[in-house]
Amino acid sequence: DSGVTQTPKHLITATGQRVTLRCSPRSGDLSVYWYQQSLDQGLQFLIQYYNGEERAKGNILERFSAQQFPDLHSELNLSSLELGDSALYFCASSARILGADTQYFGPGTRLTVL
Amino acid sequence: DAKTTQPNSMESNEEEPVHLPCNHSTISGTDYIHWYRQLPSQGPEYVIHGLTSNVNNRMASLAIAEDRKSSTLILHRATLRDAAVYYCILLPMYSGGGADGLTFGKGTHLIIQP
Repeated sequence: DSGVTQTPKHLITATGQRVTLRCSPRSGDLSVYWYQQSLDQGLQFLIQYYNGEERAKGNILERFSAQQFPDLHSELNLSSLELGDSALYFCASSARILGADTQYFGPGTRLTVL
Repeated sequence: DAKTTQPNSMESNEEEPVHLPCNHSTISGTDYIHWYRQLPSQGPEYVIHGLTSNVNNRMASLAIAEDRKSSTLILHRATLRDAAVYYCILLPMYSGGGADGLTFGKGTHLIIQP
């Protein structure tokens, strides 16, 4: 158990809909990262927040957005869903260990768009 | 981002040592070498990281070449539970505000035979 929690575990929805994925980082970690893992694209970094502020963006679509709240939990909002958005979505938080930041991943949310 | 090259797959027998290679010929002097693994149906898991010297922890050992252009993750006694995809990732030295998002390649699919 990494200490990072994600809800829900599974989500099934239809094209055109909007969903919200939730992540709680490990206690004390200020950074939250979101990743998408699909069969054809592999694991891809989407976006990072640090202490409530957006810090880095990866391959995140304009239809996707995220935020980090004062209690440090984060939400990833996916709108106008398409079949190709079906994937595993992972959240991670990071801690500095032996001079470098290491990331701890949650169990993921499996999104199925029908 | 500095690039790494890993074999697509490797096979080993249970209870034998496993040496997973990674080439990173364009590594910069401030890049840490990180290893993560992803077990089936789980989120990625941090394994080990290092900068110049060889490193050991309870999960594995990391041997870094003197010129730092390659490294090897060593699992001393593989078990069936070690069957996973192993990713070698370069990350710049901590620069404050949390690390950047990880860039995952295809990794090495490690198969353990009983």
